[in-house]
Amino acid sequence: QSVLTQPPSASGTPGQGVTISCSGSSSNIGSDHVYWYQQLPGTAPKLLIYRNNQRPSGVPDRFSGSKSGTSASLAISGLRSEDEADYYCAAWDDSLSGPVFGGGTKLTVL
Amino acid sequence: QVQLQESGPGLVKPSQTLSLTCTVSGGSISSGGYYWSWIRQHPGKGLEWIGYIYYNGGTHYNPSLKSRVTMSVDRSKNQLSLKLGSVTAADTAVYYCARDPAGRVAFDIWGQGTMVTVSS
Repeated sequence: QSVLTQPPSASGTPGQGVTISCSGSSSNIGSDHVYWYQQLPGTAPKLLIYRNNQRPSGVPDRFSGSKSGTSASLAISGLRSEDEADYYCAAWDDSLSGPVFGGGTKLTVL
Repeated sequence: QVQLQESGPGLVKPSQTLSLTCTVSGGSISSGGYYWSWIRQHPGKGLEWIGYIYYNGGTHYNPSLKSRVTMSVDRSKNQLSLKLGSVTAADTAVYYCARDPAGRVAFDIWGQGTMVTVSS
C-alpha cells in the first residue's frame, strides 16, 4: 500500500489531454513539494516535474504539474504515443523522514 | 555527464546478505552537495526508497529497512555500496541508485537498475 494515492490507470487518444492525480496528507504533499517521474517500459524512472511545477531541461512544456493542499496533479497535453509509460508522484514525508511514492499510474495512449 | 551503473549478484539465497555497488562516472562523489539514494521496485510494483548516503558519509535509512541496511562510499573507486541483510523473497526487486541534489525527492540521475532475485 503506497503512502501517496494515484489512479492505477489513465488513457487518452493522440492529441488529447490527460490529468493524473496524486493524493497525500499533511505530512507529505501538504507540507512539501511534489515530484513526478516518468518510467518508460523497461527503463529507469526519469524526473519529469520537480517542486510541484518545474520542468527539468529537456522536458516538453506539454507536461505540467500543480499542487493544492494535500493533492497534486500532472497534466499532459497533446498526447503522443511516446508518452505511454508509468507515472509516479513523490514527496518528502515528515513522518518517515524520507521520500514516499505513489503506486504509479499506467498511461495508455489509445 | 554523470552516469550511474549498478552491479552485483542477480541471485541471493534467503537469509544471506544482498550486496550491490553503484559506480559513478563523469563526476566525483566527493565533489559535494549530493545525496545518493538506493531505491527499489518490486516486480510490477511501485517504487520504495531504501535510504541515502550523503557525500560526506552521513546516512539516513527507511525505518522499515533500517535494521538490515548499510550504505557506504568508496571514494577511491567513486562507488556507492548497499548491503541488505537477512533477505527474503520479499526483497526480490530491481534496485536503483539515484542522485539527488537537494536531499529531498529530486532524483535527477538514475542508474539503469539491477534485478536481484532472492531464492534458494
